[in-house]
Amino acid sequence: SQQGEEDPQALSIQEGENATMNCSYKTSINNLQWYRQNSGRGLVHLILIRSNEREKHSGRLRVTLDTSKKSSSLLITASRAADTASYFCATAETSYDKVIFGPGTSLSVIP
Amino acid sequence: DGGITQSPKYLFRKEGQNVTLSCEQNLNHDAMYWYRQDPGQGLRLIYYSQIVNDFQKGDIAEGYSVSREKKESFPLTVTSAQKNPTAFYLCASSSLRGVSYEQYFGPGTRLTVT
Repeated sequence: SQQGEEDPQALSIQEGENATMNCSYKTSINNLQWYRQNSGRGLVHLILIRSNEREKHSGRLRVTLDTSKKSSSLLITASRAADTASYFCATAETSYDKVIFGPGTSLSVIP
Repeated sequence: DGGITQSPKYLFRKEGQNVTLSCEQNLNHDAMYWYRQDPGQGLRLIYYSQIVNDFQKGDIAEGYSVSREKKESFPLTVTSAQKNPTAFYLCASSSLRGVSYEQYFGPGTRLTVT
């Protein structure tokens, strides 16, 4: 089955810097979602981008999707210590299919 | 408060015992999911249900069972046949009616089997 793969596995930055995480997948998709997980907690949905969209923004988050390269990126601008978490991309092959999660990127924002 | 709840937060069991994890949602969502997460890894789908009295196996269903007798509830039983049950279990739900398939997650249950 298809699966998103995040890159890098771990990222450490200073507060105020931008953080960029990438997700690659193998087959065509209907949509791609990004989720955040604080340590030991459930996941929280951040943003969903559909296959016919190229870019979406939500507050300090910017997501891009390049279906020709089968990749997506999540940019967090002006990072804060509270952004420290794991970030997962999830893909759905069709609009009624289950989503498949990647292994995640662990982000540490140092105050 | 609308949301999805899981109980208990921590669960300890002896090897060979079956254990049932609770998942309840009051979001009126049609679909519910169970995932397993191992340390430093992503989520793997165990079972999912898109409608009451119906459910499908995910990628790692062996050693697990579920039921969906009510829309609000989707309990997961970890049986003694599951060879490595110690993990963090996450339940989620989503609405299949709209175009968005955002999943709402519960806080998780950490199961330790010794």
